[in-house]
Amino acid sequence: GENVEQHPSTLSVQEGDSAVIKCTYSDSASNYFPWYKQELGKRPQLIIDIRSNVGEKKDQRIAVTLNKTAKHFSLHITETQPEDSAVYFCAASQGEGFQKLVFGTGTRLLVSP
Amino acid sequence: DAGITQSPRHKVTETGTPVTLRCHQTENHRYMYWYRQDPGHGLRLIHYSYGVKDTDKGEVSDGYSVSRSKTEDFLLTLESATSSQTSVYFCAISEGGYSYNEQFFGPGTRLTVL
Repeated sequence: GENVEQHPSTLSVQEGDSAVIKCTYSDSASNYFPWYKQELGKRPQLIIDIRSNVGEKKDQRIAVTLNKTAKHFSLHITETQPEDSAVYFCAASQGEGFQKLVFGTGTRLLVSP
Repeated sequence: DAGITQSPRHKVTETGTPVTLRCHQTENHRYMYWYRQDPGHGLRLIHYSYGVKDTDKGEVSDGYSVSRSKTEDFLLTLESATSSQTSVYFCAISEGGYSYNEQFFGPGTRLTVL
């Protein structure tokens, strides 16, 4: 089955810096890669996603890149702000469908003013 | 937030007792999921449903069963709770289909098994 590894487990940056979180996956059939943000005590919420037919996607300060050959994808946050502090989870679809997801173990991002 | 609720929100129970968690949606989405969240493990899929009476196992299904008799309700049952099932349980829903993949999560249920 699919296995998703996520690094780093914690990341501390200064406000205004960029943050990068990386994930690798094992199933070459995976074709959907979402990223979720979870604030303390809250539910996870989708912030961006990418499909396998696209190499990069941007939405304001966040971007995701995908390298299907190497089986890794990354989340990039530019101009970080204190409200970006949260736990971020990557996920990869299991098999060829889009509906079953395998999540990474999460990255705790702390943005200091 | 999508129209998704979970009940109860908090529960403390004793080892060996049965427990049922409920997920209710008002979005008429086809897919429903149960995850557990534990420190160091992220979110792990327990069971999911792709329609009324249609369910399948996830990666950590042992000790859990599910039922979906109506589109809007997805029940998770721990037949005989164990301390290892102490966790935060999240329900999620998604519309399904090629263009509608986003999973919307419920508020979570914190379960403690003593």
